[in-house]
Amino acid sequence: DAGITQSPRHKVTETGTPVTLRCHQTENHRYMYWYRQDPGHGLRLIHYSYGVKDTDKGEVSDGYSVSRSKTEDFLLTLESATSSQTSVYFCAISDQGLAGRFEQFFGPGTRLTVL
Amino acid sequence: LAKTTQPISMDSYEGQEVNITCSHNNIATNDYITWYQQFPSQGPRFIIQGYKTKVTNEVASLFIPADRKSSTLSLPRVSLSDTAVYYCLVGDDLGGGGQLTFGSGTQLTVLP
Repeated sequence: DAGITQSPRHKVTETGTPVTLRCHQTENHRYMYWYRQDPGHGLRLIHYSYGVKDTDKGEVSDGYSVSRSKTEDFLLTLESATSSQTSVYFCAISDQGLAGRFEQFFGPGTRLTVL
Repeated sequence: LAKTTQPISMDSYEGQEVNITCSHNNIATNDYITWYQQFPSQGPRFIIQGYKTKVTNEVASLFIPADRKSSTLSLPRVSLSDTAVYYCLVGDDLGGGGQLTFGSGTQLTVLP
């Protein structure tokens, strides 16, 4: 399995609280992604990164920001969590190129509950 | 943006061949089609990818007709351990301004 860890694995927080999820990889892959997974919606891309300090928005980026200061870490921040952001969040990585054309390797996921 | 449609669920019996179809009518010229498998409480795992015609690997085959508006994942001789959710993904290189669209997934249940 690809060396991808996500932390925390589970989190319960309150509306309006800032939350940061961390994705850490040991594969030295250039490309990293954050998805959310909700029943009936499959996986939806939030943000992605194509290098250190290089990030871009995905399909559902509103309310989320990301940062990548090192190759191995990709952080997802909810500045002020809302109940609609209750979801399971997956990090993914790829090496040969941006996803869609190349295989992605997914982390174990973070279950976030916003009360 | 390519929209994908998959059956919500399918049942099969051990040893049978299973075919799961994904519809993607608005697929773009540069889009590839990728299938992932997901078990409960785990991240998705890559199964197979193709652009056109047929692709086969050690676990599955992918059939893509000439118009590329649909694709069919074929799992030969399924076992109980193939019970999972299967997603199709349509997209290309995001750097080219493309998009990624995952289907809603098909829950495959393999019965003994």
